[in-house]
Amino acid sequence: GAGVSQSPSNKVTEKGKDVELRCDPISGHTALYWYRQRLGQGLEFLIYFQGNSAPDKSGLPSDRFSAERTGESVSTLTIQRTQQEDSAVYLCASSSEGGIGYGYTFGSGTRLTVV
Amino acid sequence: GDSVTQMEGPVTLSEEAFLTINCTYTATGYPSLFWYVQYPGEGLQLLLKATKADDKGSNKGFEATYRKETTSFHLEKGSVQVSDSAVYFCALSPNLNDYKLSFGAGTTVTVRA
Repeated sequence: GAGVSQSPSNKVTEKGKDVELRCDPISGHTALYWYRQRLGQGLEFLIYFQGNSAPDKSGLPSDRFSAERTGESVSTLTIQRTQQEDSAVYLCASSSEGGIGYGYTFGSGTRLTVV
Repeated sequence: GDSVTQMEGPVTLSEEAFLTINCTYTATGYPSLFWYVQYPGEGLQLLLKATKADDKGSNKGFEATYRKETTSFHLEKGSVQVSDSAVYFCALSPNLNDYKLSFGAGTTVTVRA
C-alpha cells in the first residue's frame, strides 16, 4: 500500500481482556517496528522484525505482550490480560531495510484505552 | 542508556512568530539526531536529521544544528504558519545502522492565525 496502515485506530477494552492490534507495512519493506507512546512520555521501542531473522523482542514490557509477523507482510501485536497501564498509542513503522538510515515510515497508530 | 529530553509544551504562537523547541541528549559516542513531526490525524514523519557534529539539518523552513559540546539539537523556525501546528519529537539513534530510536516526549505546537 501507499503507507503503513494500522487497525483499529481506536480500541477501548475492559481490564483483563485480550486485544490484537494490526499493522500492514508498505509493500516490499522488510523491516517492521512497534513502538508505544504512553501519555506524556516519549515513544518506547517494543519489537523489531527484519525479514526472516529472529525478531528483537527486547522492548516488550512483559510476557503479556507478544507480536508476530508473517514473512514480510502483516504484523499483529497481542496484549493478553490487559491492564490500565497498557493504555497508550501503539505505533507501527516499516522501512525498506533494517536500520534508521533507510528511514522509517510510521502508521497513524492505534489508541488503546483499558477501562 | 541513550536518552532525549525536549522542552515541555504545549507551545502556542501567533503566525509569523519565531519557534524554538529545545532538545538535549545523553549518549555515548556520536549518535545520529532526528526531528519527527506528527500532524493531526497522521503518522510521524521525519522532518530533518543530522548525523555528525556541526551538521545542520533543514526542511520546510525548520533547522536544527547538531551541537556536541552542548549535547543539543534545538529545532528552530523563523516564521511559523498555522499549518505548522503539530507535535514535534526529538529522537536519536546510536548510528544510522542501528534500528532503535530513542524519543523525547514530544512538544505540542499550536499556531494561531
